[in-house]
Amino acid sequence: AQSVTQPDIHITVSEGASLELRCNYSYGATPYLFWYVQSPGQGLQLLLKYFSGDTLVQGIKGFEAEFKRSQSSFNLRKPSVHWSDAAEYFCAVKTLRDTGNQFYFGTGTSLTVIP
Amino acid sequence: NAGVTQTPKFRILKIGQSMTLQCTQDMNHNYMYWYRQDPGMGLKLIYYSVGAGITDKGEVPNGYNVSRSTTEDFPLRLELAAPSQTSVYFCASSYSILGTGELFFGEGSRLTVL
Repeated sequence: AQSVTQPDIHITVSEGASLELRCNYSYGATPYLFWYVQSPGQGLQLLLKYFSGDTLVQGIKGFEAEFKRSQSSFNLRKPSVHWSDAAEYFCAVKTLRDTGNQFYFGTGTSLTVIP
Repeated sequence: NAGVTQTPKFRILKIGQSMTLQCTQDMNHNYMYWYRQDPGMGLKLIYYSVGAGITDKGEVPNGYNVSRSTTEDFPLRLELAAPSQTSVYFCASSYSILGTGELFFGEGSRLTVL
């Protein structure tokens, strides 16, 4: 069965420090992978997505993610965090099925940024 | 540029009451989804639709019903509300061309059942 694991429930980083949020997936076929960000009281916004090709994907707001098939991982990174990056981050995998495409989400990682 | 619009944003229900969460999208997406979000649990799929007239259950469909009479609208019906249905509900839509396409989310509807 497909699943997404985000092992870090909460992360605190200092402003200007680098960031890496972990995501591992379980899916038999080639995965379609996504990172979303959710600010308090808001809906989810797409940061980046991976379908195929280059395994290093660039997204909005200076984020990037690297797909590593051997590790079943899709970790999100940012070289220098800004206070406005404080939010909840969700990793998701999309499965393609005859009955319809479905998206499965991890439980999220909450990011706190300290001055 | 409306995208996905959900109403209402907030609602308080009494146990046993019923209500409908409305969702409409103006992007001509064929796929639409309803998720619920509970603290520490991520998003769980309630129902989804691959097009007008076609709906299917997700992971947590019990206590909910949906319909899809048009491409644009995908309302979620709660019958006999229970405290376990207290949650934040998100509607989302997606296109699918050769499997590509991400989810576009509404801003959510916060429901409290007392």
